[in-house]
Amino acid sequence: AQSVSQHNHHVILSEAASLELGCNYSYGGTVNLFWYVQYPGQHLQLLLKYFSGDPLVKGIKGFEAEFIKSKFSFNLRKPSVQWSDTAEYFCAVIPITGANNLFFGTGTRLTVIP
Amino acid sequence: NAGVMQNPRHLVRRRGQEARLRCSPMKGHSHVYWYRQLPEEGLKFMVYLQKENIIDESGMPKERFSAEFPKEGPSILRIQQVVRGDSAAYFCASSRMGGTMNTEAFFGQGTRLTVV
Repeated sequence: AQSVSQHNHHVILSEAASLELGCNYSYGGTVNLFWYVQYPGQHLQLLLKYFSGDPLVKGIKGFEAEFIKSKFSFNLRKPSVQWSDTAEYFCAVIPITGANNLFFGTGTRLTVIP
Repeated sequence: NAGVMQNPRHLVRRRGQEARLRCSPMKGHSHVYWYRQLPEEGLKFMVYLQKENIIDESGMPKERFSAEFPKEGPSILRIQQVVRGDSAAYFCASSRMGGTMNTEAFFGQGTRLTVV
């Protein structure tokens, strides 16, 4: 069965620190990959997505993610976080064949200290 | 995306009552997905619907839960005889294309159900 693992449950950083959130998935076939962010009290918003092409994907608000197929990973990065990045971050995948829904990781709560 | 509207935002029900959660997809979207987020867990797929059809309900509990997406009006997720374990955030998402052609789903703000 497909699964998505996010290694860090809660990350606390000071402003201007660099961020990397891990995401690994288990599925043998081709997948589309997503990172969503959920700010406190708000809905999930798409940060970035990868379907094909350049494995380094740039998203909104200075976020980027790198797809490493050999490692089944899609880690999220940001060089310098801001207080406003405090939120919950979810990695999600959908196989391109045979699935009707997104499979989500358990999420990583990021707290940025001013 | 603010285009997917869910209501109510918060719903409190006593054990044994019914809960009805509504979702209006974005304009032009005919594919609706319901997800449930239990405390300290990620979102889990429940059901995928197109207009008047349930396409995939593999994530839906077999009893007490049902979903519909009528020709007119919002999609409804209905939970009968609620129990404490149903307390969760229920998210709706919509997309223009569905299933394996889904390239991006837009989410609503969710309904937080509390069963007391």
